[in-house]
Amino acid sequence: TQLLEQSPQFLSIQEGENLTVYCNSSSVFSSLQWYRQEPGEGPVLLVTVVTGGEVKKLKRLTFQFGDARKDSSLHITAAQPGDTGLYLCATRLTGTASKLTFGTGTRLQVTL
Amino acid sequence: NAGVTQTPKFQVLKTGQSMTLQCAQDMNHEYMSWYRQDPGMGLRLIHYSVGAGITDQGEVPNGYNVSRSTTEDFPLRLLSAAPSQTSVYFCASSYSIWTAGDDNSPLHFGNGTRLTVT
Repeated sequence: TQLLEQSPQFLSIQEGENLTVYCNSSSVFSSLQWYRQEPGEGPVLLVTVVTGGEVKKLKRLTFQFGDARKDSSLHITAAQPGDTGLYLCATRLTGTASKLTFGTGTRLQVTL
Repeated sequence: NAGVTQTPKFQVLKTGQSMTLQCAQDMNHEYMSWYRQDPGMGLRLIHYSVGAGITDQGEVPNGYNVSRSTTEDFPLRLLSAAPSQTSVYFCASSYSIWTAGDDNSPLHFGNGTRLTVT
C-alpha cells in the first residue's frame, strides 16, 4: 500500500494549457514537499508546505496543502515545454524524521 | 559546484556478481541516503546515514549494504546481484536529519546510476 497516492499518473498537454496534479493520503502529515525530476537527472525540491490550507506560489506553479494536511495539489498555469518532467510529492513518516517517503509521481509532457 | 556525485552512470552485471555504487558529496552534509526508482513505484528508501559511523535501514534494504566511514562518502554495496535489483539508484544528502527535505535544508540528489542485472 502506497502512503502517498499521486494522480494522474500521466498527463500530456499542449503549451498554454492549465493543469492540476494531486497527492493524497489517509494519513496526516506535518509537512509535504514537491519535487520535479527531469530525464536523466535527480529530483529537485520545488517547495515545502507546512500549514494546513497553506498556498505557495513559484512563478506559474501554485502549491496547496489541504486543510486537514492529508492532501496537496500542484497547479500549473499556462504550461510550457520546460515544465515537462516527473512531479513527485514526499513526506516524512511520523516518528521518523530521517525517512523521506515519496509518492509514485505524475509524469507531465508539455508539447508545442 | 559538484554537489552529490554518483559513479558509475551505467552498469550491467550478471546475476551473482557484486559491485559498489559510489556516492560523494562536498557540502559537509550530515545526512545521506540511497533510493531506488522503479517505473510506477516512485522512489523507495534503501538505507540512510545520519552521520559518519551511523547507518540504518529504509523500506527496501534486503540485498544491499552500506557504510559511512567519512562525512563525504556513502557507498552502496550489492553483494550478489539479482535481476530484481535492476533499477535506477539515487544518492541524496541534506545538511541535517531534523530538517531533511525542509526548505532551509533540501534533499540534494545525484544524477543516478542505471543498473541492469541480467
